[in-house]
This record gives sequence, C-alpha cells and structure tokens, in this order.
Amino acid sequence: QVQLVQSGAEVKKPGASVKVSCKASGYTFTSYGISWVRQAPGQGLEWMGWISAYNGNTNYAQKLQGRVTMTTDTSTSTAYMELRSLRSDDTAVYYCARDGPLPGLGIPNWGQGTLVTVSS
Amino acid sequence: SYVLTQPPSVSVAPGQTARITCGGNNIGSKSVHWYQQKPGQAPVLVVYDDSDRPSGIPERFSGSNSGNTATLTISRVEAGDEADYYCQVWDSSSDHPHVVFGGGTKLTVL
Repeated sequence: QVQLVQSGAEVKKPGASVKVSCKASGYTFTSYGISWVRQAPGQGLEWMGWISAYNGNTNYAQKLQGRVTMTTDTSTSTAYMELRSLRSDDTAVYYCARDGPLPGLGIPNWGQGTLVTVSS
Repeated sequence: SYVLTQPPSVSVAPGQTARITCGGNNIGSKSVHWYQQKPGQAPVLVVYDDSDRPSGIPERFSGSNSGNTATLTISRVEAGDEADYYCQVWDSSSDHPHVVFGGGTKLTVL
C-alpha cells in the first residue's frame, strides 16, 4: 500500500531554514508528483507547491516563491521541502502528499505531517 | 487570484443529510475535489473530479458541481462524519496556475 513517511518535528528560530523529508513506498515513485501542503494551528489547508518525481519540474505557490525549494531523490524515493528565512507565521504542520503526474488532481495519499515551530 | 468560499460551519442531526457548498466563479468548469479532516489527522480524499469516490469511501458521500457552486452531500450522517471538510480546485486561469483550497467547513453532528 502507498505510504508516505515524513521526518520528525522541528523547532527553528526566525531567519533559519528547515528541510522536511518524505519517504515514499508502495508505488512507482517516478510516475507521480509530490505536493506539499501546510496547515497553521487552527487554520485551513494551504498548498505550497508540487514537484514531478519524474523530471524534477516544480510549481510553487506564488507567495512562497524565492523561499521554498522542493527536490526529490529517486534513488531513495524521497521528496524534500526546504523553507528558508523562517518567520513565526510559518509555524504549521507540513504535509507531503502523492499527487498526479501533473498538479491539481485529487490527492489520495498523505504523509502523517511534520510540525515545524518557529520561535525565538 | 481564484477564491473558493465555504460556509464556516454546518450542523446536522444523525441520519439526516448534510450539504456543504463551495462557491467560486464558474466553478462548474473546473474539477472539484473534497477532503475530510478529523482533528490531529491528515486530510482524506472523499470525492474527486466533482463526483467520483475513491475506493473505501462510503456511497453516502457524493458530489455535484454546476455554475458557481460545487456541493458535497453526505447522506445518513453519522457521528463519525464530524470533521472539517475542504474543497480544492486547480486554477489554470491565472498566469501562475496553482492549487486553491476553500477555507473549510466544520461539520457538527448534533
């Protein structure tokens, strides 16, 4: 069965960077994309962007462009999301999710989420 | 930027039908996906492409989409359906195509 296992919780200071990993199993990694979605405490879902695990093409949310980088390692079926210049409003649970070969399809498989806390 | 509008809350008695709306400009021309999220858990896809159900999702969950409103309908509501529900579309109309989520609707089972 499809599984997405994310790295553990992180606490970062404002201005620092965080890199969250997402190890996929149970499907052909390079046949799909990975979307990243975050959820601030008590708030709704926010799409951060998508990466093709086939060719590395990316599509980032405009508000995060310049601060976020999504990558994949096909040798280990792992996706990564790095967010730089962290602010307090980046405090959220970050989810990776198996998306389609193109972004914007319904997302059937999600990781367990990684809590990133930004605090001085 | 494309905006999806959901009511903040919907309440329904057990056994009744819940309807959760998702409004957007000409949303009927887009494919709408719906997610259920319970506290402390990741979202679960319950309807995709307006009205299709992933395997394992009860037939009680159905969707429709026309004009400026998409609707998630939950028939014979159960206590276990209490959750937050989000609609999602792909906005290809802007010069920077992106995923859009609605603000979410909290379903309360009375």
